[in-house]
Amino acid sequence: QVRLVQSGAEVKRPGSSMKVSCKAPGGIFKIYDLNWVRQAPGQGLEWLGGTIPLVSTTNYAQTFRGRITITTDESLASAYLQLSELTSADTAVYYCAAAAFDFWGQGTTIIVSS
Amino acid sequence: QSVLTQPPSASGAPGQTVTISCSGGTSNVGSNFVSWFQQFPGAAPKLIIYRNDQRPSGVLDRFSGSKSGTSASLAISGLQSGDEADYYCASLDDSLRGFVFGTGTRVSVL
Repeated sequence: QVRLVQSGAEVKRPGSSMKVSCKAPGGIFKIYDLNWVRQAPGQGLEWLGGTIPLVSTTNYAQTFRGRITITTDESLASAYLQLSELTSADTAVYYCAAAAFDFWGQGTTIIVSS
Repeated sequence: QSVLTQPPSASGAPGQTVTISCSGGTSNVGSNFVSWFQQFPGAAPKLIIYRNDQRPSGVLDRFSGSKSGTSASLAISGLQSGDEADYYCASLDDSLRGFVFGTGTRVSVL
């Protein structure tokens, strides 16, 4: 089992940006794909995007293109999700998931409120 | 907006078998593998089926998956109260160039 540890909950203002981190044992992001999924309160799962390191490819859900960036930093054994131009509709729990969704982080709650 | 359709709820008595459907299209379920996830309230999803019918290590054989054409199914046999959770299917979508999740099904044990 691989344990993914995410950053803590945050409250953000509308129009601002968020950055959530996902830390894993060293080297994992060189091997495994890494995806970000979110879940709004009382709603289902929604894929935001993901990266496949072996082919150096990052894909984003069309809904978020233009305001989403997914990066990895091998030196810090971490992956990051950045989302800009936040609105109340972005209030959700954000999860990182690796290895074809076999390993999940504990989730990070982001509340967008004025 | 989910492109994979699941029934909102399913239920059964203890010991019975519950089957959940996942209906998609030719660009997703019809041409890619399907995964299934179990999620308890307040917890992260857990992968219980991958590649249509494969179980990760540690997942009980009471959970089984299948796929035919543009539809997939998850069966939970020997239903137990501990199986009460939300279940989601997911697949890669070639047209959207990304993953799509099902609408989710809440399983309850009568």
